[in-house]
Amino acid sequence: SQQGEEDPQALSIQEGENATMNCSYKTSINNLQWYRQNSGRGLVHLILIRSNEREKHSGRLRVTLDTSKKSSSLLITASRAADTASYFCAQAGTALIFGKGTTLSVSS
Amino acid sequence: DTAVSQTPKYLVTQMGNDKSIKCEQNLGHDTMYWYKQDSKKFLKIMFSYNNKELIINETVPNRFSPKSPDKAHLNLHINSLELGDSAVYFCASSLSGRAGYEQYFGPGTRLTVT
Repeated sequence: SQQGEEDPQALSIQEGENATMNCSYKTSINNLQWYRQNSGRGLVHLILIRSNEREKHSGRLRVTLDTSKKSSSLLITASRAADTASYFCAQAGTALIFGKGTTLSVSS
Repeated sequence: DTAVSQTPKYLVTQMGNDKSIKCEQNLGHDTMYWYKQDSKKFLKIMFSYNNKELIINETVPNRFSPKSPDKAHLNLHINSLELGDSAVYFCASSLSGRAGYEQYFGPGTRLTVT
């Protein structure tokens, strides 16, 4: 299977704490994307990092990419209850290949 | 304004029936997709259409047939439904079918086969 893996599978934190999710992938990529899925909803694109980039920021999100290790991480700083959702990384090659997701629970 | 819409949101049907799910996007995108998300949240691409032309057709039973009447619509027809078809089906679109464009997802259709 070409499917990537996210780690951890589940993460529970308090509001205000930082949340870090890791993603490992198997294929060569054009870019790597992160999506959020709230319960019962569709996926929402968060951020895209190209294969020649090492780090990217968007608001409270910070994404890193290490193509030599085929891994990426998503950091959400100062988490809020509204960040409670599942987060997926997606390898962009000829198609998007999604990982298994990290379920983040932020309690107030 | 809904960017990617799907109907119906919920679909409950019996084994052996035939059903369709409709998808429309008003983003002016060239490429549309169908994904299946199972109970473990594993999301897998099924089909991709670019300007009404099929460009990705993953290993999916031929009971599943996508139809794209125009580039704003991609419908999914499923024949002889089976229990294992129960899942959430997502439609998505992107500006281009070239690798790496961000995708916009619909709200999903939860299909339950009894």
